[in-house]
Amino acid sequence: RKEVEQDPGPFNVPEGATVAFNCTYSNSASQSFFWYRQDCRKEPKLLMSVYSSGNEDGRFTAQLNRASQYISLLIRDSKLSDSATYLCVVRGPSGQNFVFGPGTRLSVLP
Amino acid sequence: GAGVSQTPSNKVTEKGKYVELRCDPISGHTALYWYRQSLGQGPEFLIYFQGTGAADDSGLPNDRFFAVRPEGSVSTLKIQRTERGDSAVYLCASSLDVGIYNEQFFGPGTRLTVL
Repeated sequence: RKEVEQDPGPFNVPEGATVAFNCTYSNSASQSFFWYRQDCRKEPKLLMSVYSSGNEDGRFTAQLNRASQYISLLIRDSKLSDSATYLCVVRGPSGQNFVFGPGTRLSVLP
Repeated sequence: GAGVSQTPSNKVTEKGKYVELRCDPISGHTALYWYRQSLGQGPEFLIYFQGTGAADDSGLPNDRFFAVRPEGSVSTLKIQRTERGDSAVYLCASSLDVGIYNEQFFGPGTRLTVL
């Protein structure tokens, strides 16, 4: 089993739709969790950190379930500019390495 | 201020050659990471530096890969006897320190092609 797995995608949704991405991780001792966004042929950029209590930033909501080793990202009212690959990232128990999932590609269509 | 920079942006080399990839982190960032990313995959961790020392090199695929950060700032990833399978985008990232929620800032990457 891979350390971090994500919905394979791609997700093609119309503007204004709500879309949810799922991510699971295998190491229960993982320390911290993130969602990064990567545009085509660009570097990844932090979208949001994922805290145990869940957190929201505008149209984006992230949730963490440590018991199930599951992380989610919800995007409401999708915009064309949300089209990108979304990477789930888990920081390992040592705190010294980060494991990226394979990413889920989102295309928001007009 | 300047972000993370990487040079060269593209590197084409022949199988068996030696290459060096450079990363210049954000000033003051003590943590530096190298990743490589193949098409359609997420970045794969290679090595992490805290200051001058390699705190975790568990992701280096074999002994052809080596990285240094002699003064705790600029880092160089060195690949000996390159193979076609080494072709990928090599990404460098830095963060302010090792706080568990510290953001990593990525450079634009070096696209390595081994012919």
